[in-house]
Amino acid sequence: SQQGEEDPQALSIQEGENATMNCSYKTSINNLQWYRQNSGRGLVHLILIRSNEREKHSGRLRVTLDTSKKSSSLLITASRAADTASYFCATVLYGNNRLAFGKGNQVVVIP
Amino acid sequence: KAGVTQTPRYLIKTRGQQVTLSCSPISGHRSVSWYQQTPGQGLQFLFEYFSETQRNKGNFPGRFSGRQFSNSRSEMNVSTLELGDSALYLCASSSDPAPYEQYFGPGTRLTVT
Repeated sequence: SQQGEEDPQALSIQEGENATMNCSYKTSINNLQWYRQNSGRGLVHLILIRSNEREKHSGRLRVTLDTSKKSSSLLITASRAADTASYFCATVLYGNNRLAFGKGNQVVVIP
Repeated sequence: KAGVTQTPRYLIKTRGQQVTLSCSPISGHRSVSWYQQTPGQGLQFLFEYFSETQRNKGNFPGRFSGRQFSNSRSEMNVSTLELGDSALYLCASSSDPAPYEQYFGPGTRLTVT
């Protein structure tokens, strides 16, 4: 089954720096979503980008989608200690409500 | 609106037993999905229910089953528990139609001993 894969797996940055994570997938998608998870709790939806969109912003988050390369990136600008979490990308196929998750990126923001 | 709620939050069971987990979706959401999260396999889709019907199913054995009630609340059941079933079980609800932004509950941490 299709699954997103993030790169890098772990990232440690200083507060105020930017954090970038990448995600690749294998087949055509309807949309791609990014989620955040704190310490093994539930996932929080961050942003959804449709297959016909190339870039989307939400607060300090910027997501890009390149369907020709089957890849997406998540940029968190001016990171804060509260951004420390695991970040997952998930793809959704057409006619489907099923999220296929990547392995996740562990981001640690050092105050 | 209240978020997705899951009960219980923590559960310890013994191998061979069965367990039932419950999920209440956001009011108005008719789609409920279940996911299993383990350190080894990551987040894996179990199944999705919409209007009391199973609409999608992942690659899990028949020991994993679910159902949805007329008020959209959902339960999942795992029979004959195995040690490998220890995981965080997450429920998510979404409105229809697409693009299916999903809202997750806090999860049920199941430990099988």
